[in-house]
This record gives sequence, structure tokens and C-alpha cells, in this order.
Amino acid sequence: AQTVTQSQPEMSVQEAETVTLSCTYDTSESDYYLFWYKQPPSRQMILVIRQEAYKQQNATENRFSVNFQKAAKSFSLKISDSQLGDAAMYFCALTPALRTSKLTFGTGTRLQVTL
Amino acid sequence: DTGVSQDPRHKITKRGQNVTFRCDPISEHNRLYWYRQTLGQGPEFLTYFQNEAQLEKSRLLSDRFSAERPKGSFSTLEIQRTEQGDSAMYLCASSREQALNQPQHFGDGTRLSIL
Repeated sequence: AQTVTQSQPEMSVQEAETVTLSCTYDTSESDYYLFWYKQPPSRQMILVIRQEAYKQQNATENRFSVNFQKAAKSFSLKISDSQLGDAAMYFCALTPALRTSKLTFGTGTRLQVTL
Repeated sequence: DTGVSQDPRHKITKRGQNVTFRCDPISEHNRLYWYRQTLGQGPEFLTYFQNEAQLEKSRLLSDRFSAERPKGSFSTLEIQRTEQGDSAMYLCASSREQALNQPQHFGDGTRLSIL
């Protein structure tokens, strides 16, 4: 069984500032992928960033980067230079590498971006 | 790449009625997933197809739920004798067969409301 925990139901950041969303997980798999998905209000879920567990280097995608701590089973998302369009629900998700690839999601963090 | 399409976007029905949702995946994607998302929660896995074969079903998928994917193209999810607890957003996602860095692409979802 796999679990994903997001302990921050809501976060707020000022435009142009940096914010970090937390995620911890538990899995018995030796190889797995971790993802952050963004779900804007009434819009579809889109992939923000992904990390392969066997890679030690943290993934980055433009203003988005992760801090992957495998031993601590921690996978946080850092958003730099926050923009109004970053306001959304953010979900952390996990999938085993070699099986069905079904995603196990956390409960999400609602990010507000203020002027 | 036209994206994952789901129909209808919203469905309101009386308790006890049957409902059917449709998902059209991205054309070259042979994997198709159904998830259910209730208010304030992350999506939960329901079932998964590889081509036309249904390879995994969650225990969340009671006997009232059935999913099909004839010919490995579009998929339908039917709920019989709907109950209040079935009210949720039903999300469909698709992906290519397992390979490195092949994320799931989500549709807009079908929001089901049971009166």
C-alpha cells in the first residue's frame, strides 16, 4: 500500500515571492515516480513536475523545482517568482515504476496568490 | 494532441437512477484510468485499462460500477442504482504504455450530483 500526505490544506504567497508546498509519502516499492499536479478551479489537472526516485538530482521546470529527500520520503515543491496564475489546488502523487502506474494522490494544498 | 475528452461535464440525477459517462483518451494512448474525486480530497483510483483489457479494479469500485473500453478506444463508466455517496467528480486519464517519463493526462472530469 502507498500513502501520500500533504499536511498544508492552504498556503498563501505574495506575487513574485517564493513558496514551498510539503509532501511526504510511504511506499514499499524500490522504484517509483513522484509528481506534482496542479488543478485550477473548474479546470483540468495538469502535470507540473515529476521526479524519478532513482535519480538523486532534483527536478526543475522553469519556476518550479522539487526537493526530493528519498531517505526521509519527502517531496516538496518550490514555486519561485509566484504569479497570479499559479493559484490552484496542488496535488502530490506517487506511482510504482513497474506496475499499473495508477496514481496515489495526497489531499492537496490550496495555493492563494495575493498582490 | 486533442487532449482527453469527457462527456458530459455535469450530470444531475435522482437517487436510484443509472448513469453512464464517456471518456475519449488521447488517440495514441493505450492506457486509460478512471479516478473519483470528492470535495476536498485528492483523486482516488477506480480502475485501469490497457487497450481493451481491464487490468485492475479498486475495491472502491462496488458491484454497481462497471467500466468498459471496447476496441481499446473510448471508455464508459456506468453507475447503476446511484446513491448519495456517488456524488463526486469522475476523472479520466490516459497515458502511453509504461515508459520513462510518461505521465497521465487528465480530462476535465464529469461532475455527478445525486438529488
